[in-house]
Amino acid sequence: QVQLVQSGAEVKKPGASVKVSCKASGYTFSGYHIHWMRQAPGQGLEWMGWVNPNTGATKYAEKFQGRVTITWDMSITTAYMELSSLRSDDTAVFYCARDGVGSSIDYWGQGTLVTVSS
Amino acid sequence: EIVLTQSPATLSLSPGESATLSCRASQSVGSYLAWYQQKPGQAPRLLIYDASIRATGIPARFSGGGSGTDFTLTITSLEPEDFAVFYCQHRSTLPLTFGGGTRVDIK
Repeated sequence: QVQLVQSGAEVKKPGASVKVSCKASGYTFSGYHIHWMRQAPGQGLEWMGWVNPNTGATKYAEKFQGRVTITWDMSITTAYMELSSLRSDDTAVFYCARDGVGSSIDYWGQGTLVTVSS
Repeated sequence: EIVLTQSPATLSLSPGESATLSCRASQSVGSYLAWYQQKPGQAPRLLIYDASIRATGIPARFSGGGSGTDFTLTITSLEPEDFAVFYCQHRSTLPLTFGGGTRVDIK
């Protein structure tokens, strides 16, 4: 069965960087884009960007451009999202998710809480 | 970017009643619209994609409709486990965007 398992919660200081991992299993990793989303406490979902593990192409939302980097390691079917220059308002749950058919994002990781605090 | 506006913000209903949620796009997204359900502490779950196609394992009481700029999610005869926050999301162009959500809570 398709699974996306993310790394554990992180606490970071303002100005630091965080790198969240997303281990995929149960499907052909190269066949599907991986999305990353952010959800601040009590707020809605924001799309941060995606990676095509087959071609290496990435696309980032303008809001995060310059601060976010999405990478992947095909050998261990894992995608990564690194966010730099962290601020307190980056405190959020970050989700990875698989791009599905049509308009769908069909499988989601369990989420990773990143807390930014001095 | 395309802005998705969901209404109402909150819907208070009793089990057994029906819910109709709206999602309006700032420009046409064709049929490239999906709906998700999110419960506290959980990741979103895909319900509907391409405006009206139920995802695998989703009960028939969930249905989606619309095209262009106006979409609806209907839940007929709410079950206790249906109370949650619902989000729409488009896939017409990048960036993908989500609506602000509709909370369906128990009256």
